[in-house]
Amino acid sequence: DSGVTQTPKHLITATGQRVTLRCSPRSGDLSVYWYQQSLDQGLQFLIQYYNGEERAKGNILERFSAQQFPDLHSELNLSSLELGDSALYFCASSGTSFNEQFFGPGTRLTVL
Amino acid sequence: GIQVEQSPPDLILQEGANSTLRCNFSDSVNNLQWFHQNPWGQLINLFYIPSGTKQNGRLSATTVATERYSLLYISSSQTTDSGVYFCADTDSWGKLQFGAGTQVVVTP
Repeated sequence: DSGVTQTPKHLITATGQRVTLRCSPRSGDLSVYWYQQSLDQGLQFLIQYYNGEERAKGNILERFSAQQFPDLHSELNLSSLELGDSALYFCASSGTSFNEQFFGPGTRLTVL
Repeated sequence: GIQVEQSPPDLILQEGANSTLRCNFSDSVNNLQWFHQNPWGQLINLFYIPSGTKQNGRLSATTVATERYSLLYISSSQTTDSGVYFCADTDSWGKLQFGAGTQVVVTP
């Protein structure tokens, strides 16, 4: 158990819908990262937050947004969902030195 | 950005065999990590190894930062070792760049 929690574990929804994925980092970690793993793109970085502020952005679609709250948990919002958004979404956290990242169990999103 | 190449892409092992997985990097190594993704999709941290050698049970890893590569050794493989092994390193912003992975199948 990495200490990073993610909910829900599975999510099945329809095209055009909006979903929210939730992540709680390890105790004491201020940095949260979101990654997407799809069959054709592999593991891709989406976005990073540090202590409530956005710190780095990857190839995140405009339909996707995220935020980190004062209690340090983070939410990834995916809207206007398309079939191609079906993927495993991972959250990771790290300490202030941004070295080792610990991954949560992931949320498997299926868009029908 | 940093490019990460893993080899071999696939590996089939008989239980009890040893194997070596390799990871090459296009740039200097920063915060190299090895992960195991099990058949249920979970990403499990194996090693944080920016340099040197570490061992954890039947697994060990070596990173030669000056030559930009890392090796993961699996000894006396078991069926529970099956899955995909990823190496990854961070760029200057702390984003992990993953390799394409090595798919390992251990047969009884």
